Formats: sequence, C-alpha cells, structure tokens
Amino acid sequence: KAGVTQTPRYLIKTRGQQVTLSCSPISGHRSVSWYQQTPGQGLQFLFEYFSETQRNKGNFPGRFSGRQFSNSRSEMNVSTLELGDSALYLCASSLQGASFTYGYTFGSGTRLTVV
Amino acid sequence: GDSVTQMEGPVTLSEEAFLTINCTYTATGYPSLFWYVQYPGEGLQLLLKATKADDKGSNKGFEATYRKETTSFHLEKGSVQVSDSAVYFCALSDRLTGGGNKLTFGTGTQLKVEL
Repeated sequence: KAGVTQTPRYLIKTRGQQVTLSCSPISGHRSVSWYQQTPGQGLQFLFEYFSETQRNKGNFPGRFSGRQFSNSRSEMNVSTLELGDSALYLCASSLQGASFTYGYTFGSGTRLTVV
Repeated sequence: GDSVTQMEGPVTLSEEAFLTINCTYTATGYPSLFWYVQYPGEGLQLLLKATKADDKGSNKGFEATYRKETTSFHLEKGSVQVSDSAVYFCALSDRLTGGGNKLTFGTGTQLKVEL
C-alpha cells in the first residue's frame, strides 16, 4: 500500500514569504504529526492532528500552523519565513491509538530552503 | 521533560564488525522505545521497537532490549554491512495529556561501514 506522501520534495522561498506543505497519510491512518529536522536542533515535534483537531503542539512560534482535513490529509503553514526555518519537514502517520505501540510511519520529507 | 541521549558519531566500522550504539532515556512515565534509521535524502524508517521492560525488538539482524533498570535501549548488530551505513535515531514515545503521543528523539548517530 502507498506510504506517507509529502509534497513538494524541495522548496526554495525568500525571507518574509509564507509556505504550505502537504502530507497524505497512509490510508486508514487518522493521526498525523509533523517534525522539523535541522542540523543544529535535530528532530523536533511541531504538532499532531487527529480527526481534524490539533491534539498537541510543540514549542514553536505561532508562525507555524497546521490543519487536517476530513480525509486525514494534513497541511502545515509557515508564515513570515526566517532563514532559521530552513529544514527538512517530516510528516508521520499512525493508526488511531496505535502510535504508542507501533510507532509512526514517516514520509520522505519536504526540504525547505529560505534565502 | 523526556529526553534521549545517544552516543556521538560518526561510528566507523569495517564490514562484518560488531555494532553497538548506546542509547539512554529519561521519562516520567512508561514510554515505548524505538530505533529509526535515516538514509541520505530520505525520511525516517522504523527499524525496531519495544513497548515494555525486558522486551527485545529485532529486525534485519539489529536488536535492542528495553532495560528499565538502566533506562537504556542500546542497538546492536553482530555483523554490519556497507548497506547499513546511515544515521540511527533512538526515540521514545510517551502519552500526552491531550491524548495522542509524540516522539522524542536523540541526536542521531552516523554509522559508516567500510569494506
């Protein structure tokens, strides 16, 4: 079956712009989480969505936001981009109630470069 | 809060050598533990997992045992191959008060296997 699909794979944006990243989870997976990966900070939790509701949020400024649609697809948005937002953004999905036991399945990520 | 500590890399080994990557954790609850692997330009792939004390996770020749008394989850492989060259992340998943879970990652350990 298809894995977690993230689009686009690569993105170059200018400081001050905004960007939207997309994630399609594995069919049947209703929980979607987002992580930011940078060389300096490593992998950090951004937020988690379940049934179109944000259940948990990491320690990121309000410029980072997201949403989940009724088909479980998710988007994250970063407004007023800063150079420090350059990172690999990873989306992960899991079955309801199963992430604690089975973990998450990750997509290949979107590489965002802010210039 | 929760945290994961991994040994610094890079770790360079000859093919067929024995591998150990140390991982210790701090958590307030009773987390599940995971090892993820990341190949260049890719997202994270779940390598193995353990959900309770004394559980042993195993996959593709890799093993790790959940040691509650030493709060450790060391990754081992008896004979590494060049194709095992990648970055390995230790992670824990703990339940959040809002429902759901999040993964807390270590900093990653780069493994290089040479012929």
